Amino acid sequence: NAGVTQTPKFQVLKTGQSMTLQCAQDMNHEYMSWYRQDPGMGLRLIHYSVGAGITDQGEVPNGYNVSRSTTEDFPLRLLSAAPSQTSVYFCASSYGSYRTDTQYFGPGTRLTVL
Amino acid sequence: EDQVTQSPEALRLQEGESSSLNCSYTVSGLRGLFWYRQDPGKGPEFLFTLYSAGEEKEKERLKATLTKKESFLHITAPKPEDSATYLCAVRTRVSNDYKLSFGAGTTVTVRA
Repeated sequence: NAGVTQTPKFQVLKTGQSMTLQCAQDMNHEYMSWYRQDPGMGLRLIHYSVGAGITDQGEVPNGYNVSRSTTEDFPLRLLSAAPSQTSVYFCASSYGSYRTDTQYFGPGTRLTVL
Repeated sequence: EDQVTQSPEALRLQEGESSSLNCSYTVSGLRGLFWYRQDPGKGPEFLFTLYSAGEEKEKERLKATLTKKESFLHITAPKPEDSATYLCAVRTRVSNDYKLSFGAGTTVTVRA
């Protein structure tokens, strides 16, 4: 199993550009989440999904969209990039009774917005 | 508001020098505390889950303990391969759901 995969590994955008961060998992996990990690701060939840077709907002959803058409894929879209979105983004999946059970993280995407 | 604080921010150890990392929390109704290890340039990797005060979990040179207000991650006789950032996260109940709050992490460097 590849686990949770993310592409790209690195990305540089200009302010106002849009892009999609890809995330896929091959573990048949029901739950998937997107987090951002900034220096000196804990991981913060952007959006999450409890199954195909079902998504919801986390703590810091503004400026981001998600969709989940299949169990495997959970892309994160930046609508109009801003310098405040410079961060490392992690996708995670989980299974069990609750979406907040053990998180299986991908390798991350380091995004810089100029 | 839930708060999770990890200390120290950074820890430099000599190989074999045991030490402890702290994760203190101010939350309403703990429903689990998680420890993760994060290597540079990689995603966090699960280590332990603790649910109640007095509980302990061990894995190789790592031992996690939990009290009502904090958790400790003890590293016994560390090796250079134990160098990583260690994250803790607390789970709390919010309406009909649960929420995870992550600490900022402790970066451990073990010198040979």
